[in-house]
Amino acid sequence: AQKVTQAQTEISVVEKEDVTLDCVYETRDTTYYLFWYKQPPSGELVFLIRRNSFDEQNEISGRYSWNFQKSTSSFNFTITASQVVDSAVYFCALRRVNQGGKLIFGQGTELSVKP
Amino acid sequence: DVKVTQSSRYLVKRTGEKVFLECVQDMDHENMFWYRQDPGLGLRLIYFSYDVKMKEKGDIPEGYSVSREKKERFSLILESASTNQTSMYLCASSSDRGFYEQYFGPGTRLTVT
Repeated sequence: AQKVTQAQTEISVVEKEDVTLDCVYETRDTTYYLFWYKQPPSGELVFLIRRNSFDEQNEISGRYSWNFQKSTSSFNFTITASQVVDSAVYFCALRRVNQGGKLIFGQGTELSVKP
Repeated sequence: DVKVTQSSRYLVKRTGEKVFLECVQDMDHENMFWYRQDPGLGLRLIYFSYDVKMKEKGDIPEGYSVSREKKERFSLILESASTNQTSMYLCASSSDRGFYEQYFGPGTRLTVT
């Protein structure tokens, strides 16, 4: 079965704290793709990052970083020095190679960053 | 930049009405999707289309139909709206090349009274 689990339903931090959002996936495929999306209060999902299963290199983009570990089937997302504008719901998603463009989404983690 | 637009941000309809939700993308994407999002249930796929006039059911197609007459436009139709279809509806599109990441529209919050 293909599944994405985001165990943290809600996280609340104070501005400037670092925060890590967890994502654990299940798949029997050897080739697959992983994604993170951000949904701010306005409602539109914004694409953040993509990874394929052969690229375990971690990525950093400004205050955002992603840690992909196939050994633990995890694709975690860290925000360094969080800001109020980071408040949003974050979704992790999985795509199988032979499923066209279909994505399997996790339930989402609602991050609240307080000033 | 990819742009996906949806015809309305907010919509209020009465039970039994026929409702059309329109989605247009400007990136010549092959794939288009309709989701609904409800608290505690995440995003659920209603229908998707991988080509003009082609469609496939997603996880919750009951009570919905779709139409894709042109590549850039994907319509979601509620034949007879019911109160349990009150939800946020999100449209997305993706290319058939590369990683297939989906790009989303702003969403339509539909209330059926």
